[in-house]
Amino acid sequence: AQSVTQPDIHITVSEGASLELRCNYSYGATPYLFWYVQSPGQGLQLLLKYFSGDTLVQGIKGFEAEFKRSQSSFNLRKPSVHWSDAAEYFCAVGIFGNEKLTFGTGTRLTIIP
Amino acid sequence: EAGVTQFPSHSVIEKGQTVTLRCDPISGHDNLYWYRRVMGKEIKFLLHFVKESKQDESGMPNNRFLAERTGGTYSTLKVQPAELEDSGVYFCASSRGTGELFFGEGSRLTVL
Repeated sequence: AQSVTQPDIHITVSEGASLELRCNYSYGATPYLFWYVQSPGQGLQLLLKYFSGDTLVQGIKGFEAEFKRSQSSFNLRKPSVHWSDAAEYFCAVGIFGNEKLTFGTGTRLTIIP
Repeated sequence: EAGVTQFPSHSVIEKGQTVTLRCDPISGHDNLYWYRRVMGKEIKFLLHFVKESKQDESGMPNNRFLAERTGGTYSTLKVQPAELEDSGVYFCASSRGTGELFFGEGSRLTVL
């Protein structure tokens, strides 16, 4: 069975600073990988996804993620965070032919001025 | 296009009572999923409908939980009787089967 680890429960960064949220997965074959964000009072919104092809994936709101098979990682990055990026971020893994997702425990991002 | 809508947004009930959560998927989405997040834990899969049929209910915690999707449109998730450990946020998602799920805002359930 697949699993996802998000080792950072809470991260605080200054507005304008760069961001990297870590995600490691466990799955025997090539996974489908996702990052979702939940802003306060909102539902889960898809930031980006990796199915195949280019391992550097661009998403919405200026986010990107890189799939590294050798490290079983799919870290989320943003070069300069904005106060509106404060939210909880979830990494998830799926498998080919099945949309059932396995989520990590989430990383809460706080932005300070 | 309207998104996935869930009702109620928050429900507070006492242990032993019954609660019914509702999910309206995006129109035309045959796939409907229920997930749950217990405080501080990961979001966990509960079950998956394709139209009105249960495709996978392997994540349903026990027989106190009953999900239905009459006519392949909206879905309900009933918890009867509710226990303290059922507290959490229940998310619904829908899809066309292309691999991308669209989530609702969730229904927060508090069992006292």
